[in-house]
Amino acid sequence: GEDVEQSLFLSVREGDSSVINCTYTDSSSTYLYWYKQEPGAGLQLLTYIFSNMDMKQDQRLTVLLNKKDKHLSLRIADTQTGDSAIYFCAETETGGFKTIFGAGTRLFVKA
Amino acid sequence: DAMVIQNPRYQVTQFGKPVTLSCSQTLNHNVMYWYQQKSSQAPKLLFHYYDKDFNNEADTPDNFQSRRPNTSFCFLDIRSPGLGDAAMYLCATSRDGREEQFFGPGTRLTVL
Repeated sequence: GEDVEQSLFLSVREGDSSVINCTYTDSSSTYLYWYKQEPGAGLQLLTYIFSNMDMKQDQRLTVLLNKKDKHLSLRIADTQTGDSAIYFCAETETGGFKTIFGAGTRLFVKA
Repeated sequence: DAMVIQNPRYQVTQFGKPVTLSCSQTLNHNVMYWYQQKSSQAPKLLFHYYDKDFNNEADTPDNFQSRRPNTSFCFLDIRSPGLGDAAMYLCATSRDGREEQFFGPGTRLTVL
């Protein structure tokens, strides 16, 4: 079945770039997402990419998609302490309503 | 401005005592989802409604039920909560199921 995998932790210094990686298994996924979850809150969509794209940039966020390797990454430029949160990679199964989430990467930003 | 609202934010119940969690949306979306999220884990889809059509995940226990009386509201009923059901319950909506999901803030359930 479908599976989405992420590393569990990432620690960076304020002002550095953060890169969070994700691998997925459903090669026919149409949408791939990055969600952010702050403590005690629901998930907030950060950005998404269509499967026919290689890259998407949105202000400090850059998403790279390597379909051949089924690898998705999220780069956060100039990481701030407010970026500390859990970041979930997710894919939507083709033709369906189900979104598969990874376990989340907890980003720690050190001042 | 809240788009997906969950009530209550915190719910404490006793082992075996039925509990209902509520979700409402102002987005007029067709699809509403219920997820269970335990600490440091991915949200786990329990079921979803596309309009009035109910879709249960194969591994969702029978203890969990849902109702959607109208477009705006969806309820999660836990008939006999066990200690293992303590978790954050997230409601989400999507316009047609293929696009992004909008999440509520969640209800944290404690089972004593």
